[in-house]
Amino acid sequence: KQEVTQIPAALSVPEGENLVLNCSFTDSAIYNLQWFRQDPGKGLTSLLLIQSSQREQTSGRLNASLDKSSGRSTLYIAASQPGDSATYLCAVTSGGYNKLIFGAGTRLAVHP
Amino acid sequence: DVKVTQSSRYLVKRTGEKVFLECVQDMDHENMFWYRQDPGLGLRLIYFSYDVKMKEKGDIPEGYSVSREKKERFSLILESASTNQTSMYLCASSFPRGQETQYFGPGTRLLVL
Repeated sequence: KQEVTQIPAALSVPEGENLVLNCSFTDSAIYNLQWFRQDPGKGLTSLLLIQSSQREQTSGRLNASLDKSSGRSTLYIAASQPGDSATYLCAVTSGGYNKLIFGAGTRLAVHP
Repeated sequence: DVKVTQSSRYLVKRTGEKVFLECVQDMDHENMFWYRQDPGLGLRLIYFSYDVKMKEKGDIPEGYSVSREKKERFSLILESASTNQTSMYLCASSFPRGQETQYFGPGTRLLVL
């Protein structure tokens, strides 16, 4: 059974730091891996989607990498800002029907 | 822009009540999903549907049922609400292909007293 783990569970950094969030999964047979952002009390917003054949995706200050063979992904946030404060969720798609399996998330706080 | 809407942002119900949560999407997506989110547990899939009138159990279907009479609408039903169903409920939709993302609604925070 696929399991997704995110480390750390919480992170607090000063503004301007570069930071890395980690995600690992137990079964390498995935279609894709996604990173989502969730603001308190809100729904999820997709940040980056990496297909199983890809190694990384970039969007602005965000870069996500995927190493399928080792079951790992990292989300790199450059020059963090207070507006980046949110919970970041990693999810993989495996099996049929485009079902997602989520990690528990990393709660990020960026302070001025 | 894709829009997924949920009928309520906040809901307070009593134990034993029948509860309906409704989700509507405007992107003609085949797939629709209901998740619940609890602290420390992340999102867990309750039910999903890949077509009108079709449904499949997710990881935690006990105590829930669903209905999909129209393509754009997917309802989650708590037949007899219990306090352990107090949670944040999130609806999502997507195309069926594995390379497509899911689009999420804003969530319904349900409190069962």
